Amino acid sequence: GENVEQHPSTLSVQEGDSAVIKCTYSDSASNYFPWYKQELGKRPQLIIDIRSNVGEKKDQRIAVTLNKTAKHFSLHITETQPEDSAVYFCAASPPADRGSTLGRLYFGRGTQLTVWP
Amino acid sequence: DTAVSQTPKYLVTQMGNDKSIKCEQNLGHDTMYWYKQDSKKFLKIMFSYNNKELIINETVPNRFSPKSPDKAHLNLHINSLELGDSAVYFCASSLGRGQETQYFGPGTRLLVL
Repeated sequence: GENVEQHPSTLSVQEGDSAVIKCTYSDSASNYFPWYKQELGKRPQLIIDIRSNVGEKKDQRIAVTLNKTAKHFSLHITETQPEDSAVYFCAASPPADRGSTLGRLYFGRGTQLTVWP
Repeated sequence: DTAVSQTPKYLVTQMGNDKSIKCEQNLGHDTMYWYKQDSKKFLKIMFSYNNKELIINETVPNRFSPKSPDKAHLNLHINSLELGDSAVYFCASSLGRGQETQYFGPGTRLLVL
């Protein structure tokens, strides 16, 4: 099955700086890549996703880039704020016609982002 | 209105006991999931149901048994609880079987003593 590696496991930045989290995946057929944010003691929530037919997607201070050739995708957060502090998970998903993996997300192990004021 | 809800929120129990966690979604979604999040925050899928049909059944001990009475509900029963079962269990739902946003419940924090 799909294997997603996520780096770094922890990231500390000063408020206002940028943060970058990187993920690689193993299954070249994967075509959907969401990012989830989990604040302390809360549930994971989708913050942005990208499909394999685009290379980049932005939503205000958050952007995701995808390199299908390298099987690599990244989350970029600009002008970080203390409320960005959370665990961020990347995930990859094979196409919906791949038998029992329908709808399945393969998660990375998470990155604890801390933004210092 | 709560989209995905779970009960109980906290569960403290002794080894060897049997317990259940309930999940309900009012989003009209067809697919529901159970995830286990361990102390290192790793999110591991356990089961997934689509319209009451089991479509993902990961390698978990058979002490764990999911049950979906209808597409809005997915329960998790755990027999003979072990220390290693201590974790946060999240229910989630998505609209269909494809690649859509998964909406997570608030989690059930299970502690086995």
